[in-house]
Amino acid sequence: QVQLQQSGPGLVKPSQTLSLTCAISGDSVSSNSAAWNWIRQSPSRGLEWLGRTYYRSKWYNDYAVSVKSRITINPDTSKNQFSLHLDSVTPEDTAVYYCARAKWGSWDATAYYDMDVWGQGTTVTVSS
Amino acid sequence: SYELTQPPSVSVSPGQTASITCSGDKLGDKYACWYQQRPGQSPVVVIYQDDKRPSGIPERFSGSNSGNTATLTISGTQAMDEADYYCQAWDSSTVHVVFGGGTKLTVL
Repeated sequence: QVQLQQSGPGLVKPSQTLSLTCAISGDSVSSNSAAWNWIRQSPSRGLEWLGRTYYRSKWYNDYAVSVKSRITINPDTSKNQFSLHLDSVTPEDTAVYYCARAKWGSWDATAYYDMDVWGQGTTVTVSS
Repeated sequence: SYELTQPPSVSVSPGQTASITCSGDKLGDKYACWYQQRPGQSPVVVIYQDDKRPSGIPERFSGSNSGNTATLTISGTQAMDEADYYCQAWDSSTVHVVFGGGTKLTVL
C-alpha cells in the first residue's frame, strides 16, 4: 500500500522560502510509471496544481505558470522522498499543500494522469 | 490556458441520483478524473480515466465523458456521499494538470 507522509513548517514569514517534504512508502520516487506532484488548496484558488517531478531515464520537472519563477521540486533518491521549495512567499501563498502520486500514461495516444495517492495535507500560513 | 467548469453546488435527496458535470473545450478528447473531498480530508479519486472505479469505491459511482462534458453520476445517493467533488484533466499542450472549481454535493 502506497503512502505519502508530508512534513514541514506550518508558518512561514513573508519573503522567505516555503519548504515541504513528502516521504514515499510502498513505491519509489524513481518509478518509471509515476510522477510526483505538489498541489495546494485555498478558498480563493480551489485546487491548484503546482508542479511535478518524474524519472524517465533522467529527471524531469514541470511547473505551473503561476509559480514557475519561484518553485523548485526536487527528488531525493537516498531517502525516497521529494520536496517543494517556494521562494519569496506572500500571504497569497497561504493554503493547504498536498503531495500526490500520479499514474501517468496513454491509451490510443490520449494521455491519462490519475492522482491516486495523496498526502495528508499541510496547512501553511504566510504571516509575520 | 485550459479551463474546466463545474456547477458550484448540487442537491439531491437520499436514494436519488446525483449528476455532477464538468465542462471544457473538447474534454471528451481527454481523460477525466473525479475526486471526492470530505471536510478536513485529502481528496480521494472516485473515478479515473473517464469511467474506471478504483477498488474500494462503491458501484454507485460512475463516470462518462463525451463532447465537451464529463459527468460523475452517483446512483442511490447516501448521506455519506455529501462532499466536495472535483474533476481533473491533463492538458498535454501545456503539460499541466487542470482542476475544475469543485461542486458541493448536498444530500438533503
